[in-house]
Parts: sequence; C-alpha cells; structure tokens
Amino acid sequence: NAGVTQTPKFQVLKTGQSMTLQCAQDMNHNSMYWYRQDPGMGLRLIYYSASEGTTDKGEVPNGYNVSRLNKREFSLRLESAAPSQTSVYFCASSERGLDQPQHFGDGTRLSIL
Amino acid sequence: AQSVTQLDSHVSVSEGTPVLLRCNYSSSYSPSLFWYVQHPNKGLQLLLKYTSAATLVKGINGFEAEFKKSETSFHLTKPSAHMSDAAEYFCVVSDPPGGSYIPTFGRGTSLIVHP
Repeated sequence: NAGVTQTPKFQVLKTGQSMTLQCAQDMNHNSMYWYRQDPGMGLRLIYYSASEGTTDKGEVPNGYNVSRLNKREFSLRLESAAPSQTSVYFCASSERGLDQPQHFGDGTRLSIL
Repeated sequence: AQSVTQLDSHVSVSEGTPVLLRCNYSSSYSPSLFWYVQHPNKGLQLLLKYTSAATLVKGINGFEAEFKKSETSFHLTKPSAHMSDAAEYFCVVSDPPGGSYIPTFGRGTSLIVHP
C-alpha cells in the first residue's frame, strides 16, 4: 500500500539552484495538493490540482510552479531557490468532495543555503 | 471565509490521564471538520472526521471529538493518554464555497506525554 510517494526525502540546495519535487499517488484520486510546513505555521497550501489538467494557486504560490503530469503525478518546481523556501514540503491527494480526507506523503525536507 | 483556531500550541499530560485538544472554527456553511495526527518525521494521518452525521465522532487509537455548532468547536479528547500519543495534532475545516473544498489547517497542537 504505497499511497502517496514523495521524492526525494531530503535535499540541500544552494541559493539560485532549481529543483523539482516529485509526488505520485496510487489511489486514483482526482485532487492533489502541495503544502509547506514551517514551525508554528501549520500547513500552508502552495498549489493544488482539483482534477487532471487543472492547477490553481494556494495561499503561498510565489517562487513555485507545478505540473499535473497525469492523474497520478503532481510535481512542484523551485526555479531559483531562496533561503526562505527552506521547509518541509508535503504532497497530499484526495477524492473531490467536502467530506473527503486527504492522504499525505512523508514529506521532503529541503534546506537552501 | 473559513478559519480554524487551535487554542493551545502545546499540551502536556501524564501517561494515563485525559487528553483535551481544543479547536474552534469559523464557517459560513455546514463544514466538514477533521483531526489529523503527525508523528515526528512523518506525514499527516487522519484521526477522525465530522460530516454532519453524529455530532460525537469516534476515531482511531481511542480518540473522539464532539461537534458543537453553538460553540463552533470541535475539541479532540482521549480518556487516557499513552506515550505513543505524543505527536503534533491538526484541526482542519473544509466548507463548500465555490465547490473547491480546499481545507484550512490550524497551526497545530503539540501533545507531550510524560511517563
């Protein structure tokens, strides 16, 4: 039961470098999400994809781009990393609907020097 | 607009004593409410959800929560804490405006369990 798989688990970047965080789910969910988690801030939504072929900005989209590659995969790209983007990034998926819970990956811990 | 406030950033209990994690929400509609748990270096896991059926909701690992519309609260409780309950807990509200069902997370409550 893989659920939501995120790669890589850890990454260290230098300021200005680019990188793509990968996320794949095997539950045939329509909706996928990217969050960042910072101490004392809870989870903040970066981007989401309500269904295959659509993406929308969340609360903190600046400095990020996303691609919904297909129904299974949703990637997050940092074009020019900044120290303020040091965080733990979580991908989640769910069925569409008010009462549908989200399923989370184990996170990517990203440090930008 | 929806919002959620977790009233305590940290809660400390002794093993075997009751747990109470408080959550208040704001919603213009009839929301769905969730509690998630996050153990260290792990993703979030669903504990329980409320979706306008019974107001007292039972979840995994002995946790339960009561939806009180008059108080706009959805507090999480457990009769007896176990060391393995030490984790971060998140209250989440989701309501339907626009049909996007984007959930809003509280800032989390860290539960500390002493032997």
